[in-house]
Amino acid sequence: QSVLTQPPSVSAAPGQTVTISCSGSSSNIGNNYVSWYQQLPRTAPKLLIYDNNKRPSGIPDRFSGSKSGTSATLGITGLQTGDEADYYCGTWDSSLRAVLFGGGTNLTVL
Amino acid sequence: QVHLVESGGGLVKPGGSLRLSCAASGFTFGDYYMSWIRQAPGKGLEWVSYMNGGTATFYADSVKGRFTISRDNAKSSLYLQMNSLRAEDTAVYYCAKTGSGSCFNIWGQGTMVTVSS
Repeated sequence: QSVLTQPPSVSAAPGQTVTISCSGSSSNIGNNYVSWYQQLPRTAPKLLIYDNNKRPSGIPDRFSGSKSGTSATLGITGLQTGDEADYYCGTWDSSLRAVLFGGGTNLTVL
Repeated sequence: QVHLVESGGGLVKPGGSLRLSCAASGFTFGDYYMSWIRQAPGKGLEWVSYMNGGTATFYADSVKGRFTISRDNAKSSLYLQMNSLRAEDTAVYYCAKTGSGSCFNIWGQGTMVTVSS
């Protein structure tokens, strides 16, 4: 059971918008930056969002990140079938002195 | 182009040892924190360890005292010495370049470690 809580799965139709939540505490999300990763089937994860809301070069602006208090959210607009993947949040935990990942959310584009 | 290539995975018996390597290219290796992250079959991501450009190291509690991270900046290489291996260490092990806010901005393709008798 992960310290960071994500919904196991979400789904939406092509072209729609979906959000994925990541809930933590003051020792992790509340006081540290959050990053988000996309893992397509049978591939290594890829960084989508870092420092809560910044996109690395090459990541389309359909992907966005936000943080409020001890929760963070990944938003994906204009869903495409190619967005079907597992999505993970990650952050540092100042009490555990460890990097934490959420349990992952499987996105299905119906 | 930034590139990370892991090697050294394989099948090992419980209690055995294995050393993973990660060869980096395309960036000034010694300037960056580097990390190991693993993923058990069908499971989520688990951070294992990271190291700054010098000698500071951090470990997950699950591997502390058994795994040792190290690096050779002259060879642009990262290593993970894994001792006293257990079945629960079975996973794909990824090497990752580590950036702002403990994010992992470049990942290798991974190397599979299987601990089984």
